[in-house]
Amino acid sequence: QQQVKQSPQSLIVQKGGISIINCAYENTAFDYFPWYQQFPGKGPALLIAIRPDVSEKKEGRFTISFNKSAKQFSLHIMDSQPGDSATYFCAASVGSGNTGKLIFGQGTTLQVKP
Amino acid sequence: NAGVTQTPKFRILKIGQSMTLQCAQDMNHNYMYWYRQDPGMGLKLIYYSVGAGITDKGEVPNGYNVSRSTTEDFPLRLELAAPSQTSVYFCASRSGNTGELFFGEGSRLTVL
Repeated sequence: QQQVKQSPQSLIVQKGGISIINCAYENTAFDYFPWYQQFPGKGPALLIAIRPDVSEKKEGRFTISFNKSAKQFSLHIMDSQPGDSATYFCAASVGSGNTGKLIFGQGTTLQVKP
Repeated sequence: NAGVTQTPKFRILKIGQSMTLQCAQDMNHNYMYWYRQDPGMGLKLIYYSVGAGITDKGEVPNGYNVSRSTTEDFPLRLELAAPSQTSVYFCASRSGNTGELFFGEGSRLTVL
């Protein structure tokens, strides 16, 4: 019940296209859903995050869509660029203001072709 | 602005050896975490700490130990290294005011 399932494992998109990565969870106590971006040889870095009281959050070309009833959330990257090529992780936690223990998805390797 | 610093970046161990992965943060964060990253498995929480002197187990603590004697440092100890501990280890910290984790650049460990 603590799992976060992420798909697809890998994704190839043409420059200018839309990249979509999906995550599903089971624990209804989760109340914080971030996405992390990781470049080769680096640690993950926070990209965007959402709480379940909203259905969508947008920051520039990156949008999180959240479906509480389906227990799913997704990352949309609009106008994908080669510089977006990286590994993306969804995550979830109970009470980010407390211990903030994040449960991560399996990761998606995105390649954006020029 | 060092952030979270991990040492060493690379290490090869023989089966049965022990070692300590060092992690230090200069952001005065109370919360610190150790994760391991394996291909196709995401990041798994090994141990975490909510402040100096307080540590607790995560999802995969077996074979590891931690201590937190200061706010800045959170070393991870591997006792009797096994091939299953071959992984990339990430240390992270968080202020407590937000949910954002700040990660180090990782320590790649190979056990042969």
